[in-house]
Amino acid sequence: KQEVTQIPAALSVPEGENLVLNCSFTDSAIYNLQWFRQDPGKGLTSLLLIQSSQREQTSGRLNASLDKSSGRSTLYIAASQPGDSATYLCAVSPLNDYKLSFGAGTTVTVRA
Amino acid sequence: DAGVIQSPRHEVTEMGQEVTLRCKLISGHNSLFWYRQTMMRGLELLIYFNNNVPIDDSGMPEDRFSAKMPNASFSTLKIQPSEPRDSAVYFCASSLLPGDTQYFGPGTRLTVL
Repeated sequence: KQEVTQIPAALSVPEGENLVLNCSFTDSAIYNLQWFRQDPGKGLTSLLLIQSSQREQTSGRLNASLDKSSGRSTLYIAASQPGDSATYLCAVSPLNDYKLSFGAGTTVTVRA
Repeated sequence: DAGVIQSPRHEVTEMGQEVTLRCKLISGHNSLFWYRQTMMRGLELLIYFNNNVPIDDSGMPEDRFSAKMPNASFSTLKIQPSEPRDSAVYFCASSLLPGDTQYFGPGTRLTVL
């Protein structure tokens, strides 16, 4: 059974600092990995999707890397802003299936 | 597009009552996923459909839970009878194809007293 871990569970940084969020998974036989953002009381918003054949994806200030062999992904958010405060979740889907396994998330607070 | 639409947004009911949650997919999407989120267990996939057909319902906790997709754009999740431990936020999500980016609805917060 795929286990997805996100450490730390919470993170507080001053505005302008770069954010580094970690995600690890136990089974490297994945189809893809997705990063989501969840604001309090809201649904999830997809940020980036990395196919298993890719090493990274970029969107604006966000960059996600994937090291499938070591079972790790990292989400980098450059020059953080208070509006980046949210919970960030990673999720992996296995080969031959499309069921996402989610991590518990990292709750980020960016202080103005 | 309005995105994935869920109703109701909040539901408070008493133990033993039937609860029906509704979801409207993004137009053109073929895959539909139902999730449950709690503090204790995080996000769990309950069931997913592709082209209106249930593909995997292994996450459905008990026979009290059932899901249907009567047409390509609409799905329901029913709990009968409801129990206090069913209290959670229920999300549905849709994607164009099963392995694509999933777009989540705003969720239904269910409280069973």
